[in-house]
Amino acid sequence: NAGVTQTPKFRVLKTGQSMTLLCAQDMNHEYMYWYRQDPGMGLRLIHYSVGEGTTAKGEVPDGYNVSRLKKQNFLLGLESAAPSQTSVYFCASSYGGSLTGYTFGSGTRLTVV
Amino acid sequence: AQSVTQLGSHVSVSEGALVLLRCNYSSSVPPYLFWYVQYPNQGLQLLLKYTSAATLVKGINGFEAEFKKSETSFHLTKPSAHMSDAAEYFCAVSEAAGRRALTFGSGTRLQVQP
Repeated sequence: NAGVTQTPKFRVLKTGQSMTLLCAQDMNHEYMYWYRQDPGMGLRLIHYSVGEGTTAKGEVPDGYNVSRLKKQNFLLGLESAAPSQTSVYFCASSYGGSLTGYTFGSGTRLTVV
Repeated sequence: AQSVTQLGSHVSVSEGALVLLRCNYSSSVPPYLFWYVQYPNQGLQLLLKYTSAATLVKGINGFEAEFKKSETSFHLTKPSAHMSDAAEYFCAVSEAAGRRALTFGSGTRLQVQP
């Protein structure tokens, strides 16, 4: 089925460990986004990309890095995980930016202990 | 800068009753406005969007929203709630002048009582 696939779905990390979250879309979308969702705070934008090879910072980029080497993939990296990064992470993609609406993945639940 | 405020983190209605979820926005330029729904353990799905055409927007599952510039509001309504409407609802805004990312509100959890 066409859509946005996030891996892994769940992960527990120890403080200081690193990991990469993968987002893959098969809809040929130009725009891709990483959000984090925390209780009572809605979704906050971490980083986004407007096309292959481009990335830009969002509202809460500190502690994260991203790469968009291929159009269909958008990777989110945590170099040294902290408990404050415990959250649910959502990837989304869009054909024409916000105007055309987003397609969301099902999320990655990350716990940092 | 753009932002949205959703009044009420939790709303409870009886099955068959009117659903009203409130959203107020702030934007320095004409906005695009959106409502998304999130069912448990799932990603968000687009319910409806306003992009400067008709001010009354109809979406999926019987929901609609009205853009009121004078009140800077974009409230979501449904005449008759169904048990399957229980979910979390997010209002979002984007500046129409550019293709910037969406800014989401904090969400409203809708409970539907039998």
